[in-house]
Amino acid sequence: ILNVEQSPQSLHVQEGDSTNFTCSFPSSNFYALHWYRWETAKSPEALFVMTLNGDEKKKGRISATLNTKEGYSYLYIKGSQPEDSATYLCAFRTTDSWGKLQFGAGTQVVVTP
Amino acid sequence: DAGVIQSPRHEVTEMGQEVTLRCKPISGHDYLFWYRQTMMRGLELLIYFNNNVPIDDSGMPEDRFSAKMPNASFSTLKIQPSEPRDSAVYFCASSSYSGTGNQPQHFGDGTRLSIL
Repeated sequence: ILNVEQSPQSLHVQEGDSTNFTCSFPSSNFYALHWYRWETAKSPEALFVMTLNGDEKKKGRISATLNTKEGYSYLYIKGSQPEDSATYLCAFRTTDSWGKLQFGAGTQVVVTP
Repeated sequence: DAGVIQSPRHEVTEMGQEVTLRCKPISGHDYLFWYRQTMMRGLELLIYFNNNVPIDDSGMPEDRFSAKMPNASFSTLKIQPSEPRDSAVYFCASSSYSGTGNQPQHFGDGTRLSIL
């Protein structure tokens, strides 16, 4: 049973369009929220680690926000490109998890030219 | 800077054989994680170590699975005897949680295991 929920499960985006998707997690005992990008046949690659309520992180055209009080994070992709096609995983860590991350099932993003 | 190194990249073996997967974490990282990726369960944590000591092995499927970390630079995941349902991609990841604990996990390229 996953405590972390990601929605939607998948989405198709036209090249040049912007998109966003959600990660929901339990708000109690929050410690950190991670986002990873996972391309097919490769390994997950870290995008962001966020720890503070209201945190906003940006890497190129990808950005993320964090609301720890209500237990959600948004990932935004601005001006999607085909190379943005990947599965985006979020994972959260609690204060008592000793470094252990709970991963969501991911949002698969397909960007079509 | 070398990343997490896993070997072999691919393993095909017959049911009943022993399988050993290997991982070399990033130097200086004090946490090591073993994950399994399957279609049904996504990325699931099998076991993780802190300073070479197993912290949580609750994700290990059954007694056929075992993991060791004899030193800071090497870990193994062993399956004996292997079964077809063990076929999956196995990832090793390492991280360093110093102070603030906001360091990401770094993943190896994975081992694609096929049990015939």
